[in-house]
Amino acid sequence: DIQLTQSPSFLSASVGDRVTITCRASQGISTYLAWYQQKPGKAPKLLIYVASTLQSGVPSRFSGSGSGTEFTLTISSLQPEDFATYYCQQLNSYPLSFGGGTKVEIK
Amino acid sequence: QVQLVESGGGVVQPGGSLRLSCAASGFTFSSYGMHWVRLAPGRGLEWVAVISYDGSYKYYADSKKGRFTISRDNSKNTVYLQMNSLRAEDTAVYYCAKEGSTRYYGMGVWGQGTTVTVSS
Repeated sequence: DIQLTQSPSFLSASVGDRVTITCRASQGISTYLAWYQQKPGKAPKLLIYVASTLQSGVPSRFSGSGSGTEFTLTISSLQPEDFATYYCQQLNSYPLSFGGGTKVEIK
Repeated sequence: QVQLVESGGGVVQPGGSLRLSCAASGFTFSSYGMHWVRLAPGRGLEWVAVISYDGSYKYYADSKKGRFTISRDNSKNTVYLQMNSLRAEDTAVYYCAKEGSTRYYGMGVWGQGTTVTVSS
């Protein structure tokens, strides 16, 4: 089974900051990685799929990169509505798996 | 609009059973794979199971094999999760999610979730 390790698990940042979250896979997954945002009491929201493709309607300040075993999610200028928990997910093979999450809080 | 609505959650005793339902609307349900994902208190998202568009294949997270069964009824636009031998650690919000045109495109549509509490 493929394990995903996200870092950091917690991040404190200010509005306007550039934020980068890393996701490492225990084995190569090509570009079959997605990123989700989840706010308390809400369902997850797909932000990016196949590592770097922005889901329709997602602001362009979100971007993704990587392939193989190392991936990043970048928020170019953090906005108040971006404070949430972010998860990566590998879609390369079953069983699918999520990273442990990165909680982004206001500094 | 595209919508998923879960139901069937509740409080159940350890060892008990529960069947979750997810009713879909606004898209051609029989063309898409469907997933269940859960969020336990204080933990991260956990993928639970998937069923293909026609029900021909199903996969489960290792820890759910044998206790959970995913199924679908394309005539009713509904996917189900039968959960048996429930444990306290199965307490979570359970979400159903629709995958893209292939699983590689991620889960772009989610329901609002249904809460399962396993407690005596």
